[in-house]
This record gives sequence, C-alpha cells and structure tokens, in this order.
Amino acid sequence: DPKIIQKPKYLVAVTGSEKILICEQYLGHNAMYWYRQSAKKPLEFMFSYSYQKLMDNQTASSRFQPQSSKKNHLDLQITALKPDDSATYFCASSLGGGGAETLYFGSGTRLTVL
Amino acid sequence: AQSVDQPDAHVTLSEGASLELRCSYSYSAAPYLFWYVQYPGQSLQFLLKYITGDTVVKGTKGFEAEFRKSNSSFNLKKSPAHWSDSAKYFCALENTGYQNFYFGKGTSLTVIP
Repeated sequence: DPKIIQKPKYLVAVTGSEKILICEQYLGHNAMYWYRQSAKKPLEFMFSYSYQKLMDNQTASSRFQPQSSKKNHLDLQITALKPDDSATYFCASSLGGGGAETLYFGSGTRLTVL
Repeated sequence: AQSVDQPDAHVTLSEGASLELRCSYSYSAAPYLFWYVQYPGQSLQFLLKYITGDTVVKGTKGFEAEFRKSNSSFNLKKSPAHWSDSAKYFCALENTGYQNFYFGKGTSLTVIP
C-alpha cells in the first residue's frame, strides 16, 4: 500500500487556470515537502512544513500556495497556471524530529499546462 | 551558500564493472548527505545517508558511499554493477535547521548487460 498518496496522478490544465494537487501521508510523519521535477531543473525544492508550520519556501512566485488542513495533508494550490509550470510535482515526508531525516516520496503528479 | 554538484550527467558501463558516481558539496557546517535513486517512471527511493562517524556508509541494494571531508565529496559505489541498477541517482544535502534538502542534478546510469 502506498504510504504517501498523491492525487491526481496526471493533470492537464489550460493556461490561466487554477489547480490543487493533493498529498496525504500515512507514515505518521510530522514534516512534509513539495518538490518539482522538470527537464530544466531536475529536482527543485519548493516548500517544507513541520507540525503544520511553514519552515522554508524557495518558490519565487506567490502563485504556489501550500495548504495544510491536517498534519498528514499538504496540498499545493497553483493559480494562474503557465506552460512553464509543467512538471512532475512530488510530495515527500519525513519524521520531523530534525537532523539527517530520510525523505519518503510520493509517486508524483504530472502536470501539463497547455 | 549550500550546493550539491553531480558532474556526470550520464554514466554508462557494462554489467559486472564497478560503478562510482560522483558527488561534491558545499556547506558551511558538518553535512548530512544522502543518495536517492529514481527508476524510470517511478519516484525517488532512499539508498543511504551519512551523518557522522564512519566515512564509508552502506545502504540498500548493495550500495555504499564514501564521505571525504578533504575534498567535500560523497561518492556512491557498487561492485559489481547489475543491469537493474540502471536508473537516475541523486545526491542530496540537508540544510540543517531549515527542514529542506538540496539535490544535485542527478546522474543517469546505464548498465549494459
């Protein structure tokens, strides 16, 4: 059984629209992350949350907004979509105790913006 | 500033040979270093990590890595390589205290049967 569930697996959107990528983890972890992988930037850190608090944000655009409604949820809202946003978005989690933590990755959401 | 460099975008070798994938890092404090593997069409999986102590760390799937502080490297090794090792390998550095991890650009490994 997958312990980190990302939905949907594939997503096609039109330029200017808004989408929400879902991530739920059932590992009992306290820290969650979003990463983006594309041909231009192989694996790019976006956000990290620990105990539902934002720890770090490396995205340059406010169009990307994480949403943490529960400790084991970290969704990613993307507004005003652009073709450059096309990428695979990976959610990950770790224990959250701090220091040398192993990341566990979901299977990803592949977003295509037309 | 912290960074991770994997200088080889692609590595090809024959099955049975020894593999060594290079990784160098830049970090102002004692580093926590990791290797992850991504098989085609799949997500990333943890292989091993270095925290402190022994400079050679062993991981899953028969891999090991050697930490060398002198030249800021953390190279991944396996011998012999198997065709099933063909994948993309990522080296990562934890930015301690900030709950984030920086990844290198990855090395695509092809092992020819």
